[in-house]
Amino acid sequence: DGGITQSPKYLFRKEGQNVTLSCEQNLNHDAMYWYRQDPGQGLRLIYYSQIVNDFQKGDIAEGYSVSREKKESFPLTVTSAQKNPTAFYLCASSLRTGRGNTIYFGEGSWLTVV
Amino acid sequence: GNSVTQMEGPVTLSEEAFLTINCTYTATGYPSLFWYVQYPGEGLQLLLKATKADDKGSNKGFEATYRKETTSFHLEKGSVQVSDSAVYFCALSVTQGGSEKLVFGKGTKLTVNP
Repeated sequence: DGGITQSPKYLFRKEGQNVTLSCEQNLNHDAMYWYRQDPGQGLRLIYYSQIVNDFQKGDIAEGYSVSREKKESFPLTVTSAQKNPTAFYLCASSLRTGRGNTIYFGEGSWLTVV
Repeated sequence: GNSVTQMEGPVTLSEEAFLTINCTYTATGYPSLFWYVQYPGEGLQLLLKATKADDKGSNKGFEATYRKETTSFHLEKGSVQVSDSAVYFCALSVTQGGSEKLVFGKGTKLTVNP
């Protein structure tokens, strides 16, 4: 089945550690995105990528890093520089061009700093 | 800039009641409009969308009409069910650099009681 797979579903991190969240899609979409969700704040864009080997900062990129070495994969690293990393992280993808193209979401990953 | 404002929740209704969740937007350019739904502990699912003025999106008994004159995209359902309990997000998309970017409202939590 086509879709977006995020892993792990739940992740615990000690302060000072980097962690990487995986996102894989088999929809043949060019664009991929990472959003962060906090209670009462909706979703905020961290990074996005239009094509392989290219990515752009979103609204809250500080403390995060990404790579796009393959079309199917867009991993997000939450670094120790991220001051408040506990949140729900959502990966998404869409066709690159065309107005009104739908953005599809994965099931999300919960990150908790302990 | 681009922003979405939706009615604050939580909203609590009895089964078979009529639902309206208000959504208004500001946008540079001509956005597409979306409603996404999030069930507890899950990612976001597209509920419906509209890409031009006066378009009506509909799905699973939900409807929303793109009103350019009032910059609104209110979500309605004539008779809600317990299974509709979820958080609903209004969003607009803008094309920047060839990529679709979503801007979300803060979400409205709906609880439907039997």
